Amino acid sequence: GNSVTQMQGQVTLSEEEFLFINCTYSTTGYPTLFWYVQYPGEGPQLLLKVTTANNKGSSRGFEATYDKGTTSFHLQKASVQESDSAVYYCVLGDLSGGNYKPTFGKGTSLVVHP
Amino acid sequence: EAAVTQSPRSKVAVTGGKVTLSCHQTNNHDYMYWYRQDTGHGLRLIHYSYVADSTEKGDIPDGYKASRPSQENFSLILELASLSQTAVYFCASSAQTISNERLFFGHGTKLSVL
Repeated sequence: GNSVTQMQGQVTLSEEEFLFINCTYSTTGYPTLFWYVQYPGEGPQLLLKVTTANNKGSSRGFEATYDKGTTSFHLQKASVQESDSAVYYCVLGDLSGGNYKPTFGKGTSLVVHP
Repeated sequence: EAAVTQSPRSKVAVTGGKVTLSCHQTNNHDYMYWYRQDTGHGLRLIHYSYVADSTEKGDIPDGYKASRPSQENFSLILELASLSQTAVYFCASSAQTISNERLFFGHGTKLSVL
């Protein structure tokens, strides 16, 4: 089955520092990769998606790409703000087996200090 | 904006009791999902459905049942609640079966089993 590995459990940065979060994935299909963000007390919400390998997705200053050769995808932001503090999930979307069952990584908790 | 409503927002249950979590969506989406969130595990898929009157097992279905009586409603049922089922539960929906479709989440139900 599909799987997503998100190793960084927590990342702590100061404002204006560079953010980089990496995930690896495993699938036999043709995936779309997503990044979701979750703020306290809310459900996850879509941050951005990348539908094609080596293409770039971007939203709210965040950028993401995925590499089919290394089966990895990452999220980055050049300069974080305190308001970016949240949990970030990498998500694999795939129609393997005929049904759409998005697979979530374990999440990375980002803490940004002013 | 798609709307997914969960009820209750929180619940305390006794071990061995029956618990029903409800989810309602107003956007004519085909797919509905139940995920469980635990610290260190991210979101894990319990059950999902792509059509009314039919449900499918996700990755961790043991101890849970699901019911989809209509396109708008999707329930998660714990027939015999256990301590290990204490978690936050999220319902989500998506519009289509293609793999690049986003999920819309509810605000979650915090379940405590005592």
